[in-house]
Amino acid sequence: NAGVIQTPRHKVTGKGQEATLWCEPISGHSAVFWYRQTIVQGLEFLTYFRNQAPIDDSGMPKERFSAQMPNQSHSTLKIQSTQPQDSAVYLCASSFTGAEQFFGPGTRLTVL
Amino acid sequence: GQQVQQSPASLVLQEGENAELQCNFSSTATQLQWFYQSPGGSLVSLLSNPSGTKHTGRLTSTTVTKERRSSLHISSSQTTDSGTYLCAIPGGLSGKLTFGEGTQVTVIS
Repeated sequence: NAGVIQTPRHKVTGKGQEATLWCEPISGHSAVFWYRQTIVQGLEFLTYFRNQAPIDDSGMPKERFSAQMPNQSHSTLKIQSTQPQDSAVYLCASSFTGAEQFFGPGTRLTVL
Repeated sequence: GQQVQQSPASLVLQEGENAELQCNFSSTATQLQWFYQSPGGSLVSLLSNPSGTKHTGRLTSTTVTKERRSSLHISSSQTTDSGTYLCAIPGGLSGKLTFGEGTQVTVIS
């Protein structure tokens, strides 16, 4: 089992550009979570899918951020018109519903 | 919402020493996870322990649910144990994790 896979590991964008982050959950896991980690804010929940359906996006910034899960093998987090304050490590986790969560290595996004 | 507090914020150990990390949470939890994160590294799940005592290797977690606290005991510390230890509690219908701020552990030889 390869664990949760996230690509790219590092991404550098210019201010105003779009960034798309990819996550492949552990096969068989029904739940997929996205979190963001910064030094100032620590680890913050962004959004959650169960069986590919969006269930809870209460942590997502209302503008510019969107997430999708078009099939059971991958989810994407898209940030439009990136701003320097979006710089963070974006983490994807998967689990069986209600169970222990396993995290991917993260994507470090740097917005210049 | 759920609040999670960890203590101490940091500690320095001489190799071979033991350490105990604390996690307190504000609401009843049905699950609790301890994670390890190396500098610049990913989150590695160490233990999932909603109640009672669990062991893995040199790590022992004890959770007292009704007192809303958990501890992580590291025995015979090694330099490779250096990093940040995070406690997390799921909440809401989604089970989204709320994390403590972590305990930064430094083990020196």
